[in-house]
Amino acid sequence: DTEVTQTPKHLVMGMTNKKSLKCEQHMGHRAMYWYKQKAKKPPELMFVYSYEKLSINESVPSRFSPECPNSSLLNLHLHALQPEDSALYLCASSQDSGQTSTVGNTIYFGEGSWLTVV
Amino acid sequence: GNSVTQMEGPVTLSEEAFLTINCTYTATGYPSLFWYVQYPGEGLQLLLKATKADDKGSNKGFEATYRKETTSFHLEKGSVQVSDSAVYFCALGNRAQKLVFGQGTRLTINP
Repeated sequence: DTEVTQTPKHLVMGMTNKKSLKCEQHMGHRAMYWYKQKAKKPPELMFVYSYEKLSINESVPSRFSPECPNSSLLNLHLHALQPEDSALYLCASSQDSGQTSTVGNTIYFGEGSWLTVV
Repeated sequence: GNSVTQMEGPVTLSEEAFLTINCTYTATGYPSLFWYVQYPGEGLQLLLKATKADDKGSNKGFEATYRKETTSFHLEKGSVQVSDSAVYFCALGNRAQKLVFGQGTRLTINP
């Protein structure tokens, strides 16, 4: 079972709102990711958590705040977003962050959360 | 650095046609290679993967072979169906777990 579950599927928020995207996996994976995907583009990496610690932040603006409460859960807290932040936000997971393996572990994606900022 | 170059689309084919989507890569070390598919309005699904040279990944009638000598990982299917209409992404995974994606190829299959 390779399932990553994301909620909500759709979110509309104003520029002054605070909201959160949630992600859950029960595959025993120890690495979790947030990606952002704009229309007709490939996904872009935002954050990587490895063993519940933030290991990669791709210079993402502070209005995006990730949180990893435990090894199965990953949140993305949103505050004071801009209309250009409207996109599909994809959560993903893998066995680990590749620190101990010689090849890249397979990354499994969720269905995504469609975010519209108005 | 690592990069993936993917055949530009869109690609339009008739049902039962033969499909090839070209993908070449540049990488240091020995990356894993992946094809992901994204159906309209959905997230990315892993279609197939290969972790070393000469490996062949296959799934749902799709195949791709990891060719180190030509640094390629072309996606093929012998007979496409309307339900194969989607965007296909070739990707490279390295030790640092930063997936490097190609630009994506939009495939439309007409009945």
